[in-house]
Order: sequence, then structure tokens, then C-alpha cells
Amino acid sequence: DGGITQSPKYLFRKEGQNVTLSCEQNLNHDAMYWYRQDPGQGLRLIYYSQIVNDFQKGDIAEGYSVSREKKESFPLTVTSAQKNPTAFYLCASSPRTGPDTGELFFGEGSRLTVL
Amino acid sequence: GQQLNQSPQSMFIQEGEDVSMNCTSSSIFNTWLWYKQEPGEGPVLLIALYKAGELTSNGRLTAQFGITRKDSFLNISASIPSDVGIYFCAGQRNYGQNFVFGPGTRLSVLP
Repeated sequence: DGGITQSPKYLFRKEGQNVTLSCEQNLNHDAMYWYRQDPGQGLRLIYYSQIVNDFQKGDIAEGYSVSREKKESFPLTVTSAQKNPTAFYLCASSPRTGPDTGELFFGEGSRLTVL
Repeated sequence: GQQLNQSPQSMFIQEGEDVSMNCTSSSIFNTWLWYKQEPGEGPVLLIALYKAGELTSNGRLTAQFGITRKDSFLNISASIPSDVGIYFCAGQRNYGQNFVFGPGTRLSVLP
């Protein structure tokens, strides 16, 4: 089945450690996104990528890094510089052509807890 | 970045009742999306709207693209327990631009 796979679903880390969240999609979508979700707030954009080997900062990029070496993959690293990393992280993708153009599809999410 | 407003923030309804919620913005949007999210899961796309005034249904769900292009509405008819979740909207000003999101409406259905 086509979709977006995020892993791990739950992750615990100690302060000062970097962690990497995986996001893989087999929908052949060009654009991929990382969002952060906190209770009572709308999703906030961390980074996005419209094409392989290119990515842009979103509204809250500080303390995060990404790469886009393959169309299917857009991993997010939460670095020790992120002051408040405990959150639910959502990866999404969007096609630029075809019948689903203009729609945004999400993965299942990864919950990161910093101890 | 701008976020959308949604109301109500939460609602408790009896099974079988109809539900209405809305999403508003101070800016004009050309695309509205409605999602449902259950606890610990990713959002699932319910309905996409692309034209002002457009009315689109998906089963018991109906969404409308407001004629001012600054709002959108979602209705659920004859609610059932599995409708429980958070419903949130997303808007896109122009094709290719990033989406902005509302904080969601939390729906609880009482049997």
C-alpha cells in the first residue's frame, strides 16, 4: 500500500543527545514536510523540501536539521540545541502534479520525549 | 507564521446529533483541507476544497468553501461514537505555498 511511514513511533532521549526521526514515502510525491504538534496549537512547520537535494526552513527550524538525498526519504534530526524538543512530530508529503495536487498527506507521527 | 482560528474549541454531543464547526482566517485562501486526528495518530484527510462556494461531501461529512474565501465549514450528520477525535482545517493561499493550520475542534460523542 502507498503511504508515509514514520519511525520510530515513540522515542525517549536524554538531554544533550541528538535524535533522528525517519520519514519514508512511496507515493512518488515531490514535496515533503516536517511539522511539530503541541497540545492546543495548530501544526507548525519545521522544514520542507520541494525537490531532492533542496530544503527550506519553516517557521520553527532552530534546533532541527534535515536532508533530502532521495525523493522517498526526508529524515529530521532533533539536535541538542532544540530547547523544548518534547512533542509529536508529523511528516507529510504532497504531489506537485496529478489528481491529488493541492492535498497534503500525513504519516502516523513520532512522539519524542526528552527525559 | 499565521495560524487559522477554529470554533468551537471542543464540543460534546449526543450520538445521532448533527455537528457544525468552522475555520476562519483574516486572509484569503484558495485551498481548504479538513482533517480528522485520533489520539497518537497522524491526521487523515477528509475533504479538500478548491473553489469559493464549493460544497463537497464524504459520507456523512460535508464541507463548504466560504464565499469570502476567508472561511470554511465542516458538518457531520448523525454522529456516531467513532466520530470522536480532533478535526482541524488547513488553508493554502496559493498553489505551491505552505499550508497553515487551525488548532482543531475536539469532538466527543456521548452514547
